[in-house]
Amino acid sequence: QKEVEQDPGPLSVPEGAIVSLNCTYSNSAFQYFMWYRQYSRKGPELLMYTYSSGNKEDGRFTAQVDKSSKYISLFIRDSQPSDSATYLCAMSEMFSGGYNKLIFGAGTRLAVHP
Amino acid sequence: DVKVTQSSRYLVKRTGEKVFLECVQDMDHENMFWYRQDPGLGLRLIYFSYDVKMKEKGDIPEGYSVSREKKERFSLILESASTNQTSMYLCASAEQGYTFGSGTRLTVV
Repeated sequence: QKEVEQDPGPLSVPEGAIVSLNCTYSNSAFQYFMWYRQYSRKGPELLMYTYSSGNKEDGRFTAQVDKSSKYISLFIRDSQPSDSATYLCAMSEMFSGGYNKLIFGAGTRLAVHP
Repeated sequence: DVKVTQSSRYLVKRTGEKVFLECVQDMDHENMFWYRQDPGLGLRLIYFSYDVKMKEKGDIPEGYSVSREKKERFSLILESASTNQTSMYLCASAEQGYTFGSGTRLTVV
């Protein structure tokens, strides 16, 4: 079993839809949870990060962490064609680039069509 | 903003060639990483470095080596390229959170 599981999609939605992206994980020591967005032929860019359980909102994006269920989600409201990308979840035991490396999900490909 | 620059966007190399992938960051970060990204497998860590001349193996180091002679530069070396090393290679630099380069798409023929 992989440490982090993420449905690869693809997920296709109409413009304006609410999108839900999810990951599950097995390591209960994970404390920091991140979402990266990767456009085609580009490197991933950090979209949001959260610490421990709870919600975090940034504009149209909301990240949720449920540590009891080992489940994290990213919601995108009023989705736009410019949101079309691959979304990768990532997590670590510490929010640091040191020994506690990030573990990534495989990524979910999202297409928002006009 | 931190900038991570990978020297090549696309590379085509022959089987058995020695290949160098270069990565430079401009924010004095201690930690740098090399990943490869393959469809369905996501990002897999090859090597990382937390200081000059220091290196640690990641999850898939076989067939690769690295060099970190200066803080800003982290090089990935394929000693003898093979077709199963055809992939997208991503370098990252980290302080809090990772900043990735744009990637090098390597094809080994």
